[in-house]
Amino acid sequence: QSVLTQPPSASATPGQRVTISCSGSNSNIGSNNVNWYQQLPGTAPKLLIYSNNQRPSGVPDRFSGSKSGTSASLAISGLQSEDEADYYCAVWDDRLNGVLFGGGTKLTVL
Amino acid sequence: EVQLVESGGGLVQPGGSLRLSCAASGFTFSISAMNWVRQAPGKGLEWVSTISDSGASTYYADSVKGRFTISRDNSKNTLHLQMNSLRDDDTAVYYCARRGNNWSSFDYWGQGSLVTVSS
Repeated sequence: QSVLTQPPSASATPGQRVTISCSGSNSNIGSNNVNWYQQLPGTAPKLLIYSNNQRPSGVPDRFSGSKSGTSASLAISGLQSEDEADYYCAVWDDRLNGVLFGGGTKLTVL
Repeated sequence: EVQLVESGGGLVQPGGSLRLSCAASGFTFSISAMNWVRQAPGKGLEWVSTISDSGASTYYADSVKGRFTISRDNSKNTLHLQMNSLRDDDTAVYYCARRGNNWSSFDYWGQGSLVTVSS
């Protein structure tokens, strides 16, 4: 069981908005930047959001991130079929002196 | 174009050793911290280790501390992961990844190398 808690699954229909949460503690989310990764089936993960709410070049603005206290969220608006993937949050933990990944959320586009 | 290409994976018996390598190109390797991240079959991502740009600082997950060693050769643009005393639960695809804007931001990933620990 991961120290960073994500819902194991989420689903929505095309065009809808979906949010994925990531809950941590003061030693990780509460004091460090959160990043989000998208992993399409059979491929390597891809950086989707860095430093809580920044998008790398090439990532559509349909994807957005936010952080408040010891929780963070990834929002995807205008959902598309190609967004069906696994999503992971990640953050440095000051107590463990290492990187934590959330357990991952499998997003299904209905 | 940034490229990270892992090699060295394969089948190894429990208790055995394996050395993974990651050949980097398309960026200035010597000023980039690097990482190993693994993913067991059907499971989520697990951070394994981080090494600073100079190699002076290294960090390990508790699950591999004392068994795995991360290193780098900046003259050859290559990252390594020496894995000793391998266990069944080390079976995973191992990815090398470049550090991005913060310590848990990995902006480029390799394609992964499968390590299978089994008798």
